[in-house]
Amino acid sequence: GAVVSQHPSWVICKSGTSVKIECRSLDFQATTMFWYRQFPKQSLMLMATSNEGSKATYEQGVEKDKFLINHASLTLSTLTVTSAHPEDSSFYICSARQLGPNTGELFFGEGSRLTVL
Amino acid sequence: QQQVKQSPQSLIVQKGGISIINCAYENTAFDYFPWYQQFPGKGPALLIAIRPDVSEKKEGRFTISFNKSAKQFSLHIMDSQPGDSATYFCAAPATSGTYKYIFGTGTRLKVLA
Repeated sequence: GAVVSQHPSWVICKSGTSVKIECRSLDFQATTMFWYRQFPKQSLMLMATSNEGSKATYEQGVEKDKFLINHASLTLSTLTVTSAHPEDSSFYICSARQLGPNTGELFFGEGSRLTVL
Repeated sequence: QQQVKQSPQSLIVQKGGISIINCAYENTAFDYFPWYQQFPGKGPALLIAIRPDVSEKKEGRFTISFNKSAKQFSLHIMDSQPGDSATYFCAAPATSGTYKYIFGTGTRLKVLA
């Protein structure tokens, strides 16, 4: 199957700093990528839909000024957690769908674990 | 927001047994029902998926049963193995024809050796 890569896989930062997480589709093009957040032992919660060349669409309750999403190319979307605080500590996962016939399948990255001290 | 309700929350099965996980959905416009498997510290991986025009789909030891009238679908893992120990999520598109998925609450499966 197609490969989605996330970087970094884990990051520790101080409160108040900003952290950028990259999501790349390695062997396919993706006009749409999705960002999820997962707390320990909980389900995946969709944060936003990242659209190549346009603004991201955020889910209700997600602060767009705190979670900045940029989808500059067909293979790269970035999530920047601005002024991170301990409550932002979580597992962030991106997913992408492959252009072409509608298979319905989403390919997920390996996730990025953020710890804010 | 439309929901996908998943049960049980956790499941312990003996090696060789059958694991059954159930999901119920509300939106009749859902048209694609995938199951994802997630190991600790990893992203979810697609296990098997079904569309509502069939009632069952089998891939190896994994089978999805779909009951359109009851708005339920289930995952059956036959001959469960310790390597199957993971968290399983059902999902469905929030809007028909989109990839914006709503995930179930997850089922933590432990298969005893």
